[in-house]
Amino acid sequence: EPEVTQTPSHQVTQMGQEVILRCVPISNHLYFYWYRQILGQKVEFLVSFYNNEISEKSEIFDDQFSVERPDGSNFTLKIRSTKLEDSAMYFCASSEGGQGGTEAFFGQGTRLTVV
Amino acid sequence: SQELEQSPQSLIVQEGKNLTINCTSSKTLYGLYWYKQKYGEGLIFLMMLQKGGEEKSHEKITAKLDEKKQQSSLHITASQPSHAGIYLCGADNQAGTALIFGKGTTLSVSS
Repeated sequence: EPEVTQTPSHQVTQMGQEVILRCVPISNHLYFYWYRQILGQKVEFLVSFYNNEISEKSEIFDDQFSVERPDGSNFTLKIRSTKLEDSAMYFCASSEGGQGGTEAFFGQGTRLTVV
Repeated sequence: SQELEQSPQSLIVQEGKNLTINCTSSKTLYGLYWYKQKYGEGLIFLMMLQKGGEEKSHEKITAKLDEKKQQSSLHITASQPSHAGIYLCGADNQAGTALIFGKGTTLSVSS
């Protein structure tokens, strides 16, 4: 069964360092998303991406964050200068259609710890 | 902004018992999704509901969306240890471009 895969599963980084989280969405999906979940809190939307551009972003997704689809398969989230409060589980998701009325499939997540 | 409230927050049931988890929205739901998450892992899609009064079942899990489209329930019949995890309800945001989630209901099933 097709699935969304994320690497790495765990990442520990020092405050101020740049990190890149990687995702391979399901191959025939056109819409891609990043969500995050701070420990003990809700899953929160960060950004959606379609047709090689950001279609929507939340208030969390500030200038420190960027997304890219560098080739036909990967979808990346970059955090330029990490802060302690960026520590969270980051989930990539993809869907066949736009979110409304279409199920999104999530990856296993990358646990990011900023020290 | 839309908020999703889940109840109960946590639940412990004996194996074989039935249980219900509720999700109430502050606004009309246009798409309601149930996911299951094991602690520290990804979200597994369970079901999507869109129409008022809609009901869907998969194995021993049934989800319903009320006629007014502001509340959904997830019912598990004859619970098993494999049902243990965190159940999240998600809804399309107003623009239909992303999901918002409830805080989740943690289910433990004792054998």
